[in-house]
Amino acid sequence: AQSVTQLDSQVPVFEEAPVELRCNYSSSVSVYLFWYVQYPNQGLQLLLKYLSGSTLVKGINGFEAEFNKSQTSFHLRKPSVHISDTAEYFCAVSRNAGKSTFGDGTTLTVKP
Amino acid sequence: ETGVTQTPRHLVMGMTNKKSLKCEQHLGHNAMYWYKQSAKKPLELMFVYSLEERVENNSVPSRFSPECPNSSHLFLHLHTLQPEDSALYLCASSQGPGSYEQYFGPGTRLTVT
Repeated sequence: AQSVTQLDSQVPVFEEAPVELRCNYSSSVSVYLFWYVQYPNQGLQLLLKYLSGSTLVKGINGFEAEFNKSQTSFHLRKPSVHISDTAEYFCAVSRNAGKSTFGDGTTLTVKP
Repeated sequence: ETGVTQTPRHLVMGMTNKKSLKCEQHLGHNAMYWYKQSAKKPLELMFVYSLEERVENNSVPSRFSPECPNSSHLFLHLHTLQPEDSALYLCASSQGPGSYEQYFGPGTRLTVT
């Protein structure tokens, strides 16, 4: 079985500050990892994914994430956030030919 | 039309009504999904279809009935719903399960009165 834990349900941050959204996973086999973003009244949109290779993954809108196998983490980071980054962020994990499991989500609120 | 579309975007129905949600993907994907997203609750996977065959049903009440007539279309038929079924219903598609990312539609906001 696999599971995902997003360690912070809400993250408030000021505009232009750096941010890190934390995600830990558990699985007995190799996994694929994803971060999605959901803006108000919209569906989820892929930010970035880790399948294999380099552990530092760059995504859209200036976000990046680092896969850490020893700590079973996949934290999302952005060096300088904008008001428009205010949204819900979901971490997800899947195994080959298996369904994806989503975390509970982290609400990022960027304040002016 | 590109990506994943869902209709209607908003739906209000009484507990005795019958309605259907429609999802269409224009991406050539082989897998389609229904999710329920309620306030203050995690995303709940309801059904998974792969190559038009239902491969997963996560103990969803029978008042929700999915239909996948072809790889591009997915329906969710609703009847005798309860107020607690009010939620955002999201459709998604992917090339296949597992390593492939999912592409989501905008959702249908359902209110059961």
